[in-house]
Amino acid sequence: GESVGLHLPTLSVQEGDNSIINCAYSNSASDYFIWYKQESGKGPQFIIDIRSNMDKRQGQRVTVLLNKTVKHLSLQIAATQPGDSAVYFCAENWPEYGNKLVFGAGTILRVKS
Amino acid sequence: DGGITQSPKYLFRKEGQNVTLSCEQNLNHDAMYWYRQDPGQGLRLIYYSQIVNDFQKGDIAEGYSVSREKKESFPLTVTSAQKNPTAFYLCASSMGTAPGELFFGEGSRLTVL
Repeated sequence: GESVGLHLPTLSVQEGDNSIINCAYSNSASDYFIWYKQESGKGPQFIIDIRSNMDKRQGQRVTVLLNKTVKHLSLQIAATQPGDSAVYFCAENWPEYGNKLVFGAGTILRVKS
Repeated sequence: DGGITQSPKYLFRKEGQNVTLSCEQNLNHDAMYWYRQDPGQGLRLIYYSQIVNDFQKGDIAEGYSVSREKKESFPLTVTSAQKNPTAFYLCASSMGTAPGELFFGEGSRLTVL
């Protein structure tokens, strides 16, 4: 799972397995959530986003689930591949502050071949 | 190709020197952002600009300055007042102020010697 702080959680999965990365967000007013993937030394890349009027959204091999009741977000990656190895960040918008995005600390995903 | 270009990718600075990081976008986006990334932490917002000739402080603006004289350009100056400037700096842009995807550059790594 993901938490704000100095320790990056790590998820290790076998190639071909499904991965689930979790994120707890803090702002009840947030109505937009987004997942990014960041490879070492590069800028974050967009994976998928979801608005608060939805609880599930699917992309190519990825699914985002939103549980507003417990302020929880998850990213599911199907048939994880070595190229999926990276740091994954969730972010929530803060409408009361110009919709700025507030990022979590990230989760390291390691895919074992 | 449309995108965000940051330069330089690597920069070394002596203590007491100011340094300016460049960020240019050709996406015709209104909003631009600067984030700082430290190991084991999420992205922290330094400054953002929603329109030309206007910008706002983010969460960690002390020791930094910006300008937005042109829509496509949002340079960040790391001043000598910044106590711990060694970090990875990321520039991003978005279409407007409504919640939506941020497009990131590839980052600039600043090391103070």
